[in-house]
Amino acid sequence: KNQVEQSPQSLIILEGKNCTLQCNYTVSPFSNLRWYKQDTGRGPVSLTIMTFSENTKSNGRYTATLDADTKQSSLHITASQLSDSASYICVVSDRGSTLGRLYFGRGTQLTVWP
Amino acid sequence: EADIYQTPRYLVIGTGKKITLECSQTMGHDKMYWYQQDPGMELHLIHYSYGVNSTEKGDLSSESTVSRIRTEHFPLTLESARPSHTSQYLCASSESGTGSSGNTIYFGEGSWLTVV
Repeated sequence: KNQVEQSPQSLIILEGKNCTLQCNYTVSPFSNLRWYKQDTGRGPVSLTIMTFSENTKSNGRYTATLDADTKQSSLHITASQLSDSASYICVVSDRGSTLGRLYFGRGTQLTVWP
Repeated sequence: EADIYQTPRYLVIGTGKKITLECSQTMGHDKMYWYQQDPGMELHLIHYSYGVNSTEKGDLSSESTVSRIRTEHFPLTLESARPSHTSQYLCASSESGTGSSGNTIYFGEGSWLTVV
């Protein structure tokens, strides 16, 4: 069964600290992995997209890594800011259908305290 | 910034009422989607469209219907709302190609529907 599991479910850190969010997936055949940021009550916003051949991609203070062999990805946030408080969603796409079906994780709820 | 808009943002309606959630995008994207998301849960695809006059049901069974008469417009309709329809509905769009092509999927801000 194709699944996307994220950990931790929630995380609280102090402003300025770094943190790493995890994503494990069983989606096969794998096509790409995306990380989205979703502020409370808003729609998700794309942070990174990585294909099979990419193992790291950065977007400002966000750095995503991908290990396609172990089917794991991480999102590292550097020097956190209060505005980083949000849900971070891992999304994996397969290439086994014309739709390129997307499998969503439940997200990690990050809270940054001053 | 994504040019995809949803209205209304928040709506409270009574059981049995008919409701249409509007979604428009100005990016010229062929592919559009509707997702349903309950708090703390993952997004579930309920409808998608490859282009004008093309609509398909998604993974999650839904009593809603959609139409795609114009490229930029993808409204979702509930003919008779029930409390079980209470949820957040997210509209999204992407360029031609499949999810496997890695095209960015742009989401609207969402419509929060409460049926009482």
